[in-house]
Amino acid sequence: EAGVAQSPRYKIIEKRQSVAFWCNPISGHATLYWYQQILGQGPKLLIQFQNNGVVDDSQLPKDRFSAERLKGVDSTLKIQPAKLEDSAVYLCASSLGPGTGPNQPQHFGDGTRLSIL
Amino acid sequence: QQQVKQSPQSLIVQKGGISIINCAYENTAFDYFPWYQQFPGKGPALLIAIRPDVSEKKEGRFTISFNKSAKQFSLHIMDSQPGDSATYFCAASGWSNTGKLIFGQGTTLQVKP
Repeated sequence: EAGVAQSPRYKIIEKRQSVAFWCNPISGHATLYWYQQILGQGPKLLIQFQNNGVVDDSQLPKDRFSAERLKGVDSTLKIQPAKLEDSAVYLCASSLGPGTGPNQPQHFGDGTRLSIL
Repeated sequence: QQQVKQSPQSLIVQKGGISIINCAYENTAFDYFPWYQQFPGKGPALLIAIRPDVSEKKEGRFTISFNKSAKQFSLHIMDSQPGDSATYFCAASGWSNTGKLIFGQGTTLQVKP
């Protein structure tokens, strides 16, 4: 099966500019996650979707970050305006459903590496 | 209480040796403990996972040991190979997290030939 697709792979912008990332999950996966991975740290969940509804966005900086999954398939994460501290790899993951455990493993894409100048 | 603490930060092992990475958690609501392997430029890939109802799980050269009373779990890589050189993350999630994974800080493993 095809994996989680993300684009672009790399993005360089200046602070205060805007940027958007795109994710296409594995076919049939209802749950989609966006994680932020700062260099030298583990991924941190930003937002979780179940189909086109938000399940958890408690750690999403809502003053600058937004995300949508309008048709319950692919998703877009946007940052506007970007800050220096947003430099990170943005990972998208998907799973069959929202539960935990071996029946609902999360599959990750290769991420978008964002550099803020 | 949502943290997962991982050690060591980095590890160097000779080929054929045993690599051991440790994690500790506080939240007793966690009920799923996966380990992910990440190569440079790639996303994390699920390696092996365990539930707290068993004390050990083995898949090939990879073994998870789980100590529920101590709230600790560890990854053992037997007969470590240069191809195992990567960053390893432990993680935890629970029924109250709706699948949200809490990751450790990561361990960079280098296996020397």
